[in-house]
Amino acid sequence: SQQGEEDPQALSIQEGENATMNCSYKTSINNLQWYRQNSGRGLVHLILIRSNEREKHSGRLRVTLDTSKKSSSLLITASRAADTASYFCATDANTGNQFYFGTGTSLTVIP
Amino acid sequence: ETGVTQSPTHLIKTRGQQVTLRCSSQSGHNTVSWYQQALGQGPQFIFQYYREEENGRGNFPPRFSGLQFPNYSSELNVNALELDDSALYLCASSSPGQDSGNTIYFGEGSWLTVV
Repeated sequence: SQQGEEDPQALSIQEGENATMNCSYKTSINNLQWYRQNSGRGLVHLILIRSNEREKHSGRLRVTLDTSKKSSSLLITASRAADTASYFCATDANTGNQFYFGTGTSLTVIP
Repeated sequence: ETGVTQSPTHLIKTRGQQVTLRCSSQSGHNTVSWYQQALGQGPQFIFQYYREEENGRGNFPPRFSGLQFPNYSSELNVNALELDDSALYLCASSSPGQDSGNTIYFGEGSWLTVV
């Protein structure tokens, strides 16, 4: 079974609103990463958070990590239509070389 | 742009045939990983190559094989294609040990359709 699972599966919001998506995983990790994928294209790296970090910011993105709950959240503030994409979390499950992805959250931002 | 390039972008093969997909990693990256992404699913780890040696493998049968070359480019070969092999195949490069940690950078993928 896959290590990471995103929630919700789909999210639809109005432009300017904030979008929050969550990720849960099963085993201990070294780090957790979030990726964006536009339809049918490759994945774009958004942010990496290490297991000893609790929060990280990058522009309009805010990621939190709670290793006790084995969960992470991605917050996109002031969303734009261009943020419409699928978002995946990826964990390394302490393997150092294998990354496990969930099935993603499909975000639609309505102009 | 991640600097990871893949070819071909799209291809159609017949069941039972063999396919080779190619990947050029980002400059300075010595590690290449391959992922399979079926429609509506997240990417699944196939295997990773580090300095021309396989360095980890996911739950894929032996008919999925790979190579890494001295310039760190890589190939994914799939023999005896099955209909379920239809997917987007993603190559990702990384350089463990750098400040970026294990950040992996993906190419745009190769869409394989098996008919």
